Formats: sequence, C-alpha cells, structure tokens
Amino acid sequence: DIVMTQSPDSLAVSLGERATINCKSSQSVLYSSDNKSYLVWLQQKPGQPPKVLIYWASTRESGVPDRFSGSGSGTDFTLTISSLQAEDVAVYYCQQHLTTPLTFGGGTKVEIK
Amino acid sequence: QVQLQESGPGLLKPSETLSLTCSVSGGSISGYYWNWIRQPAGKGLEWIGRLYSSVNIRYSPSLQSRVTMSADTTKNQFSLKLTSVTAADTAVYYCARGRPITEYSYIYDSWGQGTLVTVSS
Repeated sequence: DIVMTQSPDSLAVSLGERATINCKSSQSVLYSSDNKSYLVWLQQKPGQPPKVLIYWASTRESGVPDRFSGSGSGTDFTLTISSLQAEDVAVYYCQQHLTTPLTFGGGTKVEIK
Repeated sequence: QVQLQESGPGLLKPSETLSLTCSVSGGSISGYYWNWIRQPAGKGLEWIGRLYSSVNIRYSPSLQSRVTMSADTTKNQFSLKLTSVTAADTAVYYCARGRPITEYSYIYDSWGQGTLVTVSS
C-alpha cells in the first residue's frame, strides 16, 4: 500500500494569512503515461462528509475558491490556502488515487489563531 | 443533483455482519464508481472499497476477507457487507460517488451524510 504522511497534524493561522499543509507519499503517485500525479486534497468540516478541493495535485474542483491551490509532483505535495477565511476551519486530507487501495493521509486540522 | 443516503443497523454485537445500503437519487448508478469509506470517531478516513460494475470491484486488502460490495441497478442502490465485526469496526460509514476523470481513475463528487455503526456487546 502507498502510505500518505501529512504534516503538520494541526496549525493555527490568523484570518487572511497563508496556511500550508504538506503531504508525502511512500512511493511516487506520478503516472508516466499522462504525467499526472494522482493526488487529491479533501476538506472535512465538523459534522460533514469530506469534499474534494484539488485533484491531479493541482487541478481545482469546480466551485472551489481560488484561494485553495495545490502543488507538487511525484511524492511531495502541498496544499496552500492563500488567505484563510473563517469558513476554512476544517480537517484537510490528502489521498492518492493512483492505485487501490486508495489511501489517505492522517489529516491536518486548521484553526484560526 | 444526485443525493446519497446510507441506511442500516446502527448497533451490532461482535461477530455479527454489518449490512449497509446506499440509496442513490437524482441520477443513475451506471457509469460511476461507488465507494464505501469509514471514519472512526475523531480519526481519519479509511477506504473500504469501490464498485464500478458487478465484475469490476476492488476492496482494501486489510478488509478483503470480510467485505462484499454489490449493486442493485433496479433499485439504484449499492450495498456493503462486513462479516465478523469487532469493536475496531465502529465508525461512521460513508458512501460516495466517484466521477471518472480518466478511463481508470475517479474523484469523489457526492457523499452521503454518513451513518454511525457501533459494535458493542
């Protein structure tokens, strides 16, 4: 199985400031045939199911605000919230969707400082 | 707008079989990947498996010996069975639809609200 490791476990950021979450996979999730990294970022707010923000490491899902961006390739990835809003308080997960079993990172809790 | 709703018993005894159904409304189950994902209270997400058709099913290796997924296209439902449950299977169970983004990959675009299953004697 591909192991996904996120850091930090939690972070507190002031409103309007940048939040950065890292995700590392135990093996590359880059698919050579299309040169895409199969890495998804999900957001889970309290009491709600998760929601996909980013797929292919950097493609924003329809309707997701552009303050959310993803970067990275291969084994190292980053989710950036450029200007944290109150509604962004949530747990963020990365997940590889290259191969089954699909595996998630442990999550990063984002709070307001 | 497709909607998913999980249903099934909320309380099981150890060694019993967990049976959940995900009812899909507002869209057909054909042409999508249908997933079960679980989340113990206060913990992270675990992918259980997914079904694309009756002959295209994948399970997590850690659960494969105990899990079965199936679909009923006439009722627009898909289901999960997990045998020999223990306290470690206590979790919120989500069903989620996977929208294909390539011929072999997908992303979740709709989720049920989740159903809590507790295993306790």
